[in-house]
Amino acid sequence: GAVVSQHPSWVICKSGTSVKIECRSLDFQATTMFWYRQFPKQSLMLMATSNEGSKATYEQGVEKDKFLINHASLTLSTLTVTSAHPEDSSFYICSARSGTSGGSRGYEQYFGPGTRLTVT
Amino acid sequence: AQSVAQPEDQVNVAEGNPLTVKCTYSVSGNPYLFWYVQYPNRGLQFLLKYITGDNLVKGSYGFEAEFNKSQTSFHLKKPSALVSDSALYFCAVTYTGRRALTFGSGTRLQVQP
Repeated sequence: GAVVSQHPSWVICKSGTSVKIECRSLDFQATTMFWYRQFPKQSLMLMATSNEGSKATYEQGVEKDKFLINHASLTLSTLTVTSAHPEDSSFYICSARSGTSGGSRGYEQYFGPGTRLTVT
Repeated sequence: AQSVAQPEDQVNVAEGNPLTVKCTYSVSGNPYLFWYVQYPNRGLQFLLKYITGDNLVKGSYGFEAEFNKSQTSFHLKKPSALVSDSALYFCAVTYTGRRALTFGSGTRLQVQP
C-alpha cells in the first residue's frame, strides 16, 4: 500500500513552453501533497505544500506564478512549470501524506519516483 | 527553525562489515525522525521512523536507527552491509504541527565487495 506515482518520469521541452507533472496517490487519499526539487548530488528542497481544495503554500524564494500547483482531488496534485527555462531543469519529486494530524502515520510521507525535466 | 545535519558526504564500507550513517538534528519540540534511501534517478524509499517509544527503531532491509535525545542524533546502522545497500541516504525531521519534512544533505553509502 501507500503508492505514489508521477507522470511523466522524464520530459524534455523547449525553452518558453510549459510542462505539467502529475502526482497521484494510488491507494490512499492524500490530504496533503508536497513538491520537492532536487539538483544533482544535492538534497531535496521543499518547493510547496498543498492541501486538497485550497491554495498551495510556497516556500520562500519559490515563484508561485512560475510553479503552479493544483490539488483538485484527494488523489491528484499537479505541478505546472510555466515558461520553462534551462535553469528549471531538475529532478522534481512529489510526496503525499494521508490524514491531517495525530498518530504516527500522520507524519509519514510517501514519495513518487520523480520526474526529470530537461529544458533545452 | 528545524535543521538536519549529515556530516559525511560519503561513507565507504566493505561488504559484511557494520555500517553507520550519521544524522543530527535541531528542532523545537519533540522531533519525528525519518530515514529514506534513494537509488539513481528514483524517488525516495522509506526505511524507518522514530515518532515515540523505544529509542531503537528497526526498519526495512535490516536497517535500524537509535534516537538519542541528549545528543540530538538519529544514526542509521546495519550490522552487515551488502553491496546492494550502496545508495544515497537521507535523514529527515519534522515536529508536531508541521507537515513538511526537512531533509539533510544526504550521505552516499558505497559498499565495496
